Amino acid sequence: SQKIEQNSEALNIQEGKTATLTCNYTNYSPAYLQWYRQDPGRGPVFLLLIRENEKEKRKERLKVTFDTTLKQSLFHITASQPADSATYLCALPVTGGGNKLTFGTGTQLKVEL
Amino acid sequence: NAGVTQTPKFRVLKTGQSMTLLCAQDMNHEYMYWYRQDPGMGLRLIHYSVGEGTTAKGEVPDGYNVSRLKKQNFLLGLESAAPSQTSVYFCASSYRDSRWPGELFFGEGSRLTVL
Repeated sequence: SQKIEQNSEALNIQEGKTATLTCNYTNYSPAYLQWYRQDPGRGPVFLLLIRENEKEKRKERLKVTFDTTLKQSLFHITASQPADSATYLCALPVTGGGNKLTFGTGTQLKVEL
Repeated sequence: NAGVTQTPKFRVLKTGQSMTLLCAQDMNHEYMYWYRQDPGMGLRLIHYSVGEGTTAKGEVPDGYNVSRLKKQNFLLGLESAAPSQTSVYFCASSYRDSRWPGELFFGEGSRLTVL
């Protein structure tokens, strides 16, 4: 069955450093992958989408890579700030139409001063 | 624009009681979804709708019913609540475009506790 894996352990980094989060998947050949941010007590918020034919996508301090051979996406936040502290979710499309997504469990990022 | 609005935000039920969660979106989106989020389980799709008057089952539909009588509203019903349905419920919506996969817009969540 299709499976998405994100590191369940929280990632603690120092302000100004680059945070790298990993999303691995198995039994998938997704046409695209999405990343969301979720703050405590709030709903997820869309950040980036990357298609299978795109190796890399950037948006301000965010960068996402997509390696369909390794079945892995890396999510980078450069020059991290305490305001970047949140849980980050990766999501892949579910077959059958309707733009359905299946989500990983998320990785909590804590940026310390 | 309010985006996606969920009501109520909090609710406590006793086992066997029924209730309905309401989701409303003002973005004229075709697609709507109900997810539940539990610790360590991530977001799991309960039911979804691809248009007014249509509904379909997701990954964990048992114990829930849904209706989409109006395009802007998507209701999630629990006919006989069970403690296993204690969770945070998120409604989401997205537009329909065959050329571009759409992002999901989420509500703020409804926290349900079943005693």
